[in-house]
Amino acid sequence: DVKVTQSSRYLVKRTGEKVFLECVQDMDHENMFWYRQDPGLGLRLIYFSYDVKMKEKGDIPEGYSVSREKKERFSLILESASTNQTSMYLCASSSPGHLYEQYFGPGTRLTVT
Amino acid sequence: GENVEQHPSTLSVQEGDSAVIKCTYSDSASNYFPWYKQELGKRPQLIIDIRSNVGEKKDQRIAVTLNKTAKHFSLHITETQPEDSAVYFCAASTTGGFKTIFGAGTRLFVKA
Repeated sequence: DVKVTQSSRYLVKRTGEKVFLECVQDMDHENMFWYRQDPGLGLRLIYFSYDVKMKEKGDIPEGYSVSREKKERFSLILESASTNQTSMYLCASSSPGHLYEQYFGPGTRLTVT
Repeated sequence: GENVEQHPSTLSVQEGDSAVIKCTYSDSASNYFPWYKQELGKRPQLIIDIRSNVGEKKDQRIAVTLNKTAKHFSLHITETQPEDSAVYFCAASTTGGFKTIFGAGTRLFVKA
């Protein structure tokens, strides 16, 4: 059974703080993704990675960066958090062997005050 | 940019009735169309998917249809049950599954 875990379920940060969101998957998946979920907007792709140290911008990368030093771990970094980054953040992973089904983590609800 | 439009945003049905959710996509290179279900407070999970070489796929009470010419695909749930209440997301993806574009979601309420 695929497990995707995220470091925090809830996080409250102040404007200007540097924020790290961690995601770990245990199925040796090549692909990993970071989305943000906002009401009425669905899931929007921030960044994805198809291999260690590889990263590609998604649709809304501004204000975010990512790091993938190990295959199982994909980190999302908010360099200087702003209130408009208050959202639910979902990590996912997939593999060609699973026909690209994305397995999601439980989500991190980030509030920036 | 590429997008996926999903309708309706909210759908309320009586238990036992059918529910239909429709999506359109813009990227003609899309060839994989998954549907995810997200129950309240839980993570999205894949419930059914369809590839571009197939027009229809069925799995018990759920079915998905695809019209590549019109760039439409739909989710059909028959004999709805209260546990079908959730937010449903359609998505479109190209080869490799990297850039999956999600619809905005449909909140389905099934009234007992």
